Amino acid sequence: QVQLQESGPGLVKPSQTLSLICTVSGGSISSGSYFWSWIRQPAGKGLEWIGRIYTSGSTNYNPSLKSRVTTSVDTSKNQFSLKLSSVTAADTAVYYCAREGPRGYNWGFDYWGQGTLVTVSS
Amino acid sequence: QSVLTQPPSASGTPGQRVTISCSGSSSNIGSNNVYWYQQLPGTAPKLLIYRNNQRPSGVPDRFSGSKSGTSASLAISGLRSEDEADYYCAAWDDSLSGWVFGGGTKLTVL
Repeated sequence: QVQLQESGPGLVKPSQTLSLICTVSGGSISSGSYFWSWIRQPAGKGLEWIGRIYTSGSTNYNPSLKSRVTTSVDTSKNQFSLKLSSVTAADTAVYYCAREGPRGYNWGFDYWGQGTLVTVSS
Repeated sequence: QSVLTQPPSASGTPGQRVTISCSGSSSNIGSNNVYWYQQLPGTAPKLLIYRNNQRPSGVPDRFSGSKSGTSASLAISGLRSEDEADYYCAAWDDSLSGWVFGGGTKLTVL
């Protein structure tokens, strides 16, 4: 059974960079043709897709966040990561990592982490 | 403002059938699959429907999805108290080259 777990600072100062890691267990992050995504949800609001990285390293980002987002994969640690720069209070949210089914299979986001709350405040 | 449009709320009594709509455009629902996610209070979203009308293993057949043109619907029959949750639709958007979600519909079981 695949499991995802987010980790990282729960508090980030304005203008700094938010950094999160998603650790994948129950399967190799480099096996299969999966996409690995980050999705966030401000308190009481809806879901917003941030971006994804493919096992090859190719990426897609939400155009509204693209200038501030970087994702990467560390296959040796079975992890992928998110960096969001120049954060403001508007970036305060629960951040989820999720697996998207193999390229071409159109499974959607079939596995999710439990989410981690990141607050941007001085 | 979400790219996909959902009603903010829906309700029904136990045993009833409820539908939740999701409206998009030619660049997302009109040309790609629709997905539905259920988010119970305080938990991560869970995949409910994929590829417009397919249920993952373990999802009861009380849940069904459909798509027509640039709109999609989620139907829940035999409503139960445990169905009280937020429901989100999602689709890939070719113009944005990214995933877009609906704003979510809060389902209340009266």
